[in-house]
Amino acid sequence: GNSVTQMEGPVTLSEEAFLTINCTYTATGYPSLFWYVQYPGEGLQLLLKATKADDKGSNKGFEATYRKETTSFHLEKGSVQVSDSAVYFCALSEPGGGADGLTFGKGTHLIIQP
Amino acid sequence: DVKVTQSSRYLVKRTGEKVFLECVQDMDHENMFWYRQDPGLGLRLIYFSYDVKMKEKGDIPEGYSVSREKKERFSLILESASTNQTSMYLCASSFDLASGIPGELFFGEGSRLTVL
Repeated sequence: GNSVTQMEGPVTLSEEAFLTINCTYTATGYPSLFWYVQYPGEGLQLLLKATKADDKGSNKGFEATYRKETTSFHLEKGSVQVSDSAVYFCALSEPGGGADGLTFGKGTHLIIQP
Repeated sequence: DVKVTQSSRYLVKRTGEKVFLECVQDMDHENMFWYRQDPGLGLRLIYFSYDVKMKEKGDIPEGYSVSREKKERFSLILESASTNQTSMYLCASSFDLASGIPGELFFGEGSRLTVL
């Protein structure tokens, strides 16, 4: 079956540091890949997505590139802010699998210190 | 602005009580989902629905049921609440395959349920 593996948290960084959150996946086909973010006290919201190999998703200074050869979708940001403190979830969806939702990783809690 | 609204942000119930969690979306989405979120376990799918009156079991349906009588509303029911159902419950919705990207979900803010 499908699975998503993320680095364990919490990840603690200082403001303006470079961020990488690793994500690798296992899927039978060619999935779409997503990063969702959950700010404290809120539900999840889509941060960025990529639907085919070598696509780069980007939003709010975050980027992730769909690497089929390494089955990875690592999240990066060049200079984090305190407001980026949140839980980040990597997820995949198989083609034709839209009706049964996503396969999520367990989430990575990011803490940015001033 | 698109919206998924969950009826209660915080609930406290007693063991054995019947619990209803309501979710309404205003985006005319075909698909709706209920997840629970627990520390160290991430999100786990309880049930989903791809049309009115249709439902499918997710990964952890035991102890739960759902109802979808109208397209915009998807209810999660705990027939007899137990302490191990203390959790954060998240509702989500999405377009169907023909009109959107599979997996692009829109989430509500969550309902934190405590069962004593």
